[in-house]
Amino acid sequence: DADVTQTPRNRITKTGKRIMLECSQTKGHDRMYWYRQDPGLGLRLIYYSFDVKDINKGEISDGYSVSRQAQAKFSLSLESAIPNQTALYFCATSDLGTSGRKETQYFGPGTRLLVL
Amino acid sequence: AQSVTQLGSHVSVSEGALVLLRCNYSSSVPPYLFWYVQYPNQGLQLLLKYTTGATLVKGINGFEAEFKKSETSFHLTKPSAHMSDAAEYFCAVIKAGSQGNLIFGKGTKLSVKP
Repeated sequence: DADVTQTPRNRITKTGKRIMLECSQTKGHDRMYWYRQDPGLGLRLIYYSFDVKDINKGEISDGYSVSRQAQAKFSLSLESAIPNQTALYFCATSDLGTSGRKETQYFGPGTRLLVL
Repeated sequence: AQSVTQLGSHVSVSEGALVLLRCNYSSSVPPYLFWYVQYPNQGLQLLLKYTTGATLVKGINGFEAEFKKSETSFHLTKPSAHMSDAAEYFCAVIKAGSQGNLIFGKGTKLSVKP
């Protein structure tokens, strides 16, 4: 089984709808991240969480919210979806390790979202 | 502000040829640098990383990268391309002052011709 799973893998929704993307991990990592990927722009950080009580905004958090329900679960919500939120969304996890700044991030397979 | 620049959004090589993917960074502090690979319809997978120590870093699948502080570069190379290397490659640097947040380059898509 995959260590980092994302559901759904594909989603089509309409402008104004609320949707939730879910991420679960079995790696036992404390840190979790949400990114979006747009063609030609690389990955940009939306939100991150270093434990269940810690939520932080990334560089492009407007229009998004998150919930860290447990160490293993981190959900991303679009309260009112708009077409420019059409993108590929990735969840990632990392361990604190002995020096958290150097730890590798492990990525889920992605959720492809289309907002009409 | 920190940034990562990948020269060439698309690189095409013949099977068996040298692969060279370029990455330059800007950082006011000693950087921690990463290369990730994304195969079609998959998430990102770590190829290699540089934190401290030896500047030539070996990764998976025969890839390696050399950290050159004087050139602020971390180029990715592989002596002989294989068809299975066709993918998108991302260079990334840990954001200064963060606890591990990554700043990604825009990616380079590698095509391998038979």
